[in-house]
Amino acid sequence: GAVVSQHPSRVICKSGTSVKIECRSLDFQATTMFWYRQFPKQSLMLMATSNEGSKATYEQGVEKDKFLINHASLTLSTLTVTSAHPEDSSFYICSASELYEQYFGPGTRLTVT
Amino acid sequence: GQQVMQIPQYQHVQEGEDFTTYCNSSTTLSNIQWYKQRPGGHPVFLIQLVKSGEVKKQKRLTFQFGEAKKNSSLHITATQTTDVGTYFCADTNAGKSTFGDGTTLTVKP
Repeated sequence: GAVVSQHPSRVICKSGTSVKIECRSLDFQATTMFWYRQFPKQSLMLMATSNEGSKATYEQGVEKDKFLINHASLTLSTLTVTSAHPEDSSFYICSASELYEQYFGPGTRLTVT
Repeated sequence: GQQVMQIPQYQHVQEGEDFTTYCNSSTTLSNIQWYKQRPGGHPVFLIQLVKSGEVKKQKRLTFQFGEAKKNSSLHITATQTTDVGTYFCADTNAGKSTFGDGTTLTVKP
């Protein structure tokens, strides 16, 4: 099946700094990618839909100025957590669809100290 | 918005026993997708159900979509230790998914 990569897999940052997470579709083009957040032992919560060449669509309650999404090419979407706080610590997962199957990246574990 | 409820939250079984997780919604689901997430891993797509009353099988896994498209189930026959993980259903429309809370399966050898 298709492969989606994420980088970095783990990141620890200090409170107030910004962190960028990359999501790449390795062997297919994805006009749309999705960013999810998952707390320990909980389900995945959709944060936003990343659209190539246009603005991302954010879910209700997700601050677009805090979670900046850029989808500059058909294979790359980035999520930047700005001015990170400890409550932003979480597992962030991206996904991309090919036909009807959705392929998830391996996730990025963010810890804000 | 659309809410997808999944039960049970946890299930502990002896190896060889069967396992079922149920996914329910108060409104009509678009398409149901099922995923498996191993501990420490990311969700892996298992299957998509589209049609009312649809039944699909993958070896020991049987997936069903309710006639009213408001519920779905995943049944595993004769569980094995390799089946451990969290199984999520997701209502999916145009690639956008609303996930259930998942059922975490543990299998005792």
